[in-house]
Amino acid sequence: EDQVTQSPEALRLQEGESSSLNCSYTVSGLRGLFWYRQDPGKGPEFLFTLYSAGEEKEKERLKATLTKKESFLHITAPKPEDSATYLCAVMSHASGGSYIPTFGRGTSLIVHP
Amino acid sequence: ETGVTQSPTHLIKTRGQQVTLRCSSQSGHNTVSWYQQALGQGPQFIFQYYREEENGRGNFPPRFSGLQFPNYSSELNVNALELDDSALYLCASSLWGADIEQYFGPGTRLTVT
Repeated sequence: EDQVTQSPEALRLQEGESSSLNCSYTVSGLRGLFWYRQDPGKGPEFLFTLYSAGEEKEKERLKATLTKKESFLHITAPKPEDSATYLCAVMSHASGGSYIPTFGRGTSLIVHP
Repeated sequence: ETGVTQSPTHLIKTRGQQVTLRCSSQSGHNTVSWYQQALGQGPQFIFQYYREEENGRGNFPPRFSGLQFPNYSSELNVNALELDDSALYLCASSLWGADIEQYFGPGTRLTVT
């Protein structure tokens, strides 16, 4: 059974204080690892897809990296508007040619001004 | 380009009743997935529809069922509601494929009393 564990569960940062969120996973046959941002009361918003170990992607203050066992979301000089829950998900093959996504519980990030 | 929409926004039902939730896909997307998100948890995959057929299912009982229509819109039906069914139900649309990002709607908040 695929498993995704995110840490820490909650993170408080001062504006400008860089940090990293961790997503460790166990999956049989990784097809892709996704990062999403979710604001309270809203649906998740897509950020990145990573496919293979060593891959990196960047978007504004966010940078996602991938190894064979975990992914990191690095936040450089965060701003209060970066406050949200960050979700990690893996996609793997299921029977019949379908794909099954498994999400972690998320890291709740609060950035104080 | 129209995003993913869901209706209703909020719903209150009594244990044992049945409920139907609706989702309109983002323009051009042919795949719809449904998720259940309990408070403080990550989204849990219920099932996915492609070409009007269920294509992939998570660990949810048969009383959770769905439909996809020719215009790619979708319904989630839940029979014999239980208190634990109280959650945010998210719909996500995408193009078919494991490495294609999903775009989520704002969700329907279901409360079962």
